[in-house]
Amino acid sequence: GESVGLHLPTLSVQEGDNSIINCAYSNSASDYFIWYKQESGKGPQFIIDIRSNMDKRQGQRVTVLLNKTVKHLSLQIAATQPGDSAVYFCAERDNNNDMRFGAGTRLTVKP
Amino acid sequence: KAGVTQTPRYLIKTRGQQVTLSCSPISGHRSVSWYQQTPGQGLQFLFEYFSETQRNKGNFPGRFSGRQFSNSRSEMNVSTLELGDSALYLCASSLGQTSTGELFFGEGSRLTVL
Repeated sequence: GESVGLHLPTLSVQEGDNSIINCAYSNSASDYFIWYKQESGKGPQFIIDIRSNMDKRQGQRVTVLLNKTVKHLSLQIAATQPGDSAVYFCAERDNNNDMRFGAGTRLTVKP
Repeated sequence: KAGVTQTPRYLIKTRGQQVTLSCSPISGHRSVSWYQQTPGQGLQFLFEYFSETQRNKGNFPGRFSGRQFSNSRSEMNVSTLELGDSALYLCASSLGQTSTGELFFGEGSRLTVL
């Protein structure tokens, strides 16, 4: 079946390094993608989104890249800080307005 | 501006009971959606309400139901609770229909079924 998934369940980086979190999706009808951050004991927090008519979008220290050819989404965090430690989810919304989330990647930032 | 508020934050129920969870969206937001989060299944969409109408529904049994009031506050109900219903239930609000715009999540209601 179609699904949203993540390549790596955990990622550990050194403070100050750049982080890249990946996500694969298989529903070619999806036209809207979102990245969320969830800290322990809290609900997910919106980070950045991208529509399928774009291949890159930048925010503050974050960049989302969308490769529709291989159905791949990535989140890049520049100069990763300890406060970035959290679980990161990608999500896709298809043309039926169904929202599906990936399993999540736990990012740990080492000081 | 107050965020999304969910009550209760924690609750314990036994199998067969029913539970009602409440969600107050951000002021002015008309769309509320509900999600179940478990370690095994991750975040799964339950349903979405916009202007008191259910606009979309996930793949959950009929024991899971919800409603939205005229003030945009929403409740979800789970009847005949099963052990597998133990989860964090998250509510999210958005200004318009959730097909556009960002979702603002509450901190969730953690349900334990014994």
